[in-house]
Amino acid sequence: EVQLVESGGGWVQPGGSLRLSCAASGLKFDDYAMHWVRQSPGKGLEWVSGISWNSGMKGYADSVEGRFTISRDNAKKMVYLQLNSLRAEDTALYYCAKDPDYVWGKYGMDVWGQGTTVTVSS
Amino acid sequence: QSALTQPPSASGSLGQSVTISCTGTSSDIGAYNFVSWYQQHPGKAPKFIIFEVSERPSGVPDRFSGSKSGNTASLTVSGLQAEDEADYYCSSYAGGPYVFGTGTRVTVL
Repeated sequence: EVQLVESGGGWVQPGGSLRLSCAASGLKFDDYAMHWVRQSPGKGLEWVSGISWNSGMKGYADSVEGRFTISRDNAKKMVYLQLNSLRAEDTALYYCAKDPDYVWGKYGMDVWGQGTTVTVSS
Repeated sequence: QSALTQPPSASGSLGQSVTISCTGTSSDIGAYNFVSWYQQHPGKAPKFIIFEVSERPSGVPDRFSGSKSGNTASLTVSGLQAEDEADYYCSSYAGGPYVFGTGTRVTVL
């Protein structure tokens, strides 16, 4: 069974930084692209970032471009999201999700973790 | 990178059908056959229920079906069951940053 487990969320002041991690198991990790998707309290889903199987293709939502950085370590079966210059509007539950393909974008996200919560507040 | 437009709510009676629309543009839904749908129950992670407009992942009941016409995609849930009461989100490949729909809450009457 494929499992994704996120960690690293927490409370941070505006302007601060956090690093989210996602541990994958039950799959040949380096065959698949990965995503981060967030959901603000009571709101809809917002795609944040995607990374291809070999890290050769990365993408970001306009709302986080230049502040967030996605990366992965295939040997450890991990994907990361570095969050810098955090704002109140970045407060959300952050999900890690697997793509069915090796490059992200076309087919969606077929496996999701349970999420890790990021709260940005003074 | 605007969100795809969905009606905020939809409803149907037990055993009946409900159809949810998802409206995009000629740059996303209209340009590609890569529309996906997700079901999300309160407090739970989203579940992948449709990909490539009308394909169902293994294990998803055939009560869920998808279609597309022009810039609008649709999800139909037939034979509504109580457990189908949830939020539903569409998404589409757009050649670059990924985009989700605004979400539709389905109520089973």
